Amino acid sequence: DTEVTQTPKHLVMGMTNKKSLKCEQHMGHRAMYWYKQKAKKPPELMFVYSYEKLSINESVPSRFSPECPNSSLLNLHLHALQPEDSALYLCASRRSGNYNEQFFGPGTRLTVL
Amino acid sequence: GENVEQHPSTLSVQEGDSAVIKCTYSDSASNYFPWYKQELGKGPQLIIDIRSNVGEKKDQRIAVTLNKTAKHFSLHITETQPEDSAVYFCAASRTRPFNKFYFGSGTKLNVKP
Repeated sequence: DTEVTQTPKHLVMGMTNKKSLKCEQHMGHRAMYWYKQKAKKPPELMFVYSYEKLSINESVPSRFSPECPNSSLLNLHLHALQPEDSALYLCASRRSGNYNEQFFGPGTRLTVL
Repeated sequence: GENVEQHPSTLSVQEGDSAVIKCTYSDSASNYFPWYKQELGKGPQLIIDIRSNVGEKKDQRIAVTLNKTAKHFSLHITETQPEDSAVYFCAASRTRPFNKFYFGSGTKLNVKP
């Protein structure tokens, strides 16, 4: 099973709202990623968690707040977003060690009004 | 850091023809090269990958070749079908130290029936 699930599939929020995106995997992977993808562009790395610890933050604005409650779950908390933050938000996971395969979830389509 | 370039940006082929997408990378330490297929409204799907100790890998109609000396790798799809129509991304990463993925800009493949 190589499934990464994400909820919700779609989210519309105002600039003053607080919302959260959720990602889950049960493959035993210890590295989890958040990416942002704009139309016709490749995924853009935001955060990486390795063994439940934040290991990379690609200078993402503080209105995006990641959380890794356990090895299977990854959240992205959203607050005071801007319309330009509208995008497809992708979660991915990867086995640790020399196994490099990274698997993506279906994404959450976010629209900020 | 690593820089991955991908060509062409769009590719139209007739059903049954072959399609080739090419990527170059800059970091000689990169040793893992996955290819992703992304259909409209979905997350990227890993379709094939290759490690630097291998020159070619095949999986049914899909093959990937790697030339470490020239720092380029290619995706070959034979006997294309309309369901192969999608955006394809190449990527490069290294095993050590951290495994961050660098993506190409994507190729939109259109297979005409």
